[in-house]
Amino acid sequence: TQLLEQSPQFLSIQEGENLTVYCNSSSVFSSLQWYRQEPGEGPVLLVTVVTGGEVKKLKRLTFQFGDARKDSSLHITAAQPGDTGLYLCAGAAGTASKLTFGTGTRLQVTL
Amino acid sequence: EAQVTQNPRYLITVTGKKLTVTCSQNMNHEYMSWYRQDPGLGLRQIYYSMNVEVTDKGDVPEGYKVSRKEKRNFPLILESPSPNQTSLYFCASSFGVPNYGYTFGSGTRLTVV
Repeated sequence: TQLLEQSPQFLSIQEGENLTVYCNSSSVFSSLQWYRQEPGEGPVLLVTVVTGGEVKKLKRLTFQFGDARKDSSLHITAAQPGDTGLYLCAGAAGTASKLTFGTGTRLQVTL
Repeated sequence: EAQVTQNPRYLITVTGKKLTVTCSQNMNHEYMSWYRQDPGLGLRQIYYSMNVEVTDKGDVPEGYKVSRKEKRNFPLILESPSPNQTSLYFCASSFGVPNYGYTFGSGTRLTVV
């Protein structure tokens, strides 16, 4: 069973601060996805990374896939209250027909 | 609008009373899946379907059934619900295997008393 560990589990910061969330595994993934989930809603896909070392940017969010494709990070610059939510990473191994989800990082951004 | 629609959003039922949670997608996706989300345990896959009439067990299939008679619909059936099936359920779909990401429904919060 492939496990994805996310850290930290909880993060409470003030508006304008920067933060990084980590997603780590001992397994190699063919792709890794990041989702954001708001209370009462389903997860929404933010990005998919597929190449080792790949970096993708989505406005103030920067996603990186580790060189060995075992880990990933999400960096948020100048966090805003609208960034509040549960951030989930999910990995796909080879041509496997399922994803493994991490347990999530709950982020709260206050004014 | 491209979406995955689940119904109902909230459901309270009694132990043993059969129920069905419906899921429908309008994106012509081949792959559909059901997850449950529990505090501290994250999202766990219950069943998935790679196409019409093709279904397979996920990580926690006990106590659940699914069917895929049409491409757009993938209902989740609890024949005899028990309190340990109280959870938040999500249906998700993707064009092929979910290597590039899912579209999730808004969830069904089920309480079994």
